[in-house]
Amino acid sequence: DQQVKQNSPSLSVQEGRISILNCDYTNSMFDYFLWYKKYPAEGPTFLISISSIKDKSEDGRFTVFLNKSAKHLSLHIVPSQPGDSAVYFCAAIPNTGNQFYFGTGTSLTVIP
Amino acid sequence: KAGVTQTPRYLIKTRGQQVTLSCSPISGHRSVSWYQQTPGQGLQFLFEYFSETQRNKGNFPGRFSGRQFSNSRSEMNVSTLELGDSALYLCASSLAQSEETQYFGPGTRLLVL
Repeated sequence: DQQVKQNSPSLSVQEGRISILNCDYTNSMFDYFLWYKKYPAEGPTFLISISSIKDKSEDGRFTVFLNKSAKHLSLHIVPSQPGDSAVYFCAAIPNTGNQFYFGTGTSLTVIP
Repeated sequence: KAGVTQTPRYLIKTRGQQVTLSCSPISGHRSVSWYQQTPGQGLQFLFEYFSETQRNKGNFPGRFSGRQFSNSRSEMNVSTLELGDSALYLCASSLAQSEETQYFGPGTRLLVL
């Protein structure tokens, strides 16, 4: 049973525009969320995280929004750059802190 | 500081065989987690080792096992391979058990024929 879902397997965005990647979760025990970025032939790299006590976290061009009531989070990339083209994974950790739960990933293509 | 390394990078096996994958964490990291990545399934958690002990285990059959050595290096073993075991196996390390930020290795791509 997939507790973290990324319903869009792929997304294409024009360079300079905003990329919005979505993630939904079902487990109300999740209290920490992370986004990872993965290039082909490389392992995922940590991008940005957010605790459930916040509703927004920013790091440069990357912003995560968390809507706890909707069990939804989104990653915004502004402005999008061709180097952002990668697979993005959303991950969640329950408050028991015992394991990561990952989504299935969204492949982002930024068109120059 | 060197990153997480995994060996081998690619592997081809046949059904019924067994395989051992190796992971060397970042120096000083004591926690190692293993994941299986398949198309459409994302990253599925296999297990986590900390101080040579398995601390957490995902929902995988007993054919999947692992261990961690005193230098924090970890191995994962899959016995009686099945076609469905073909996947990218990723290892991630962190300083402490269940720490929020993990650092991933490049993965071992296993193909079972």
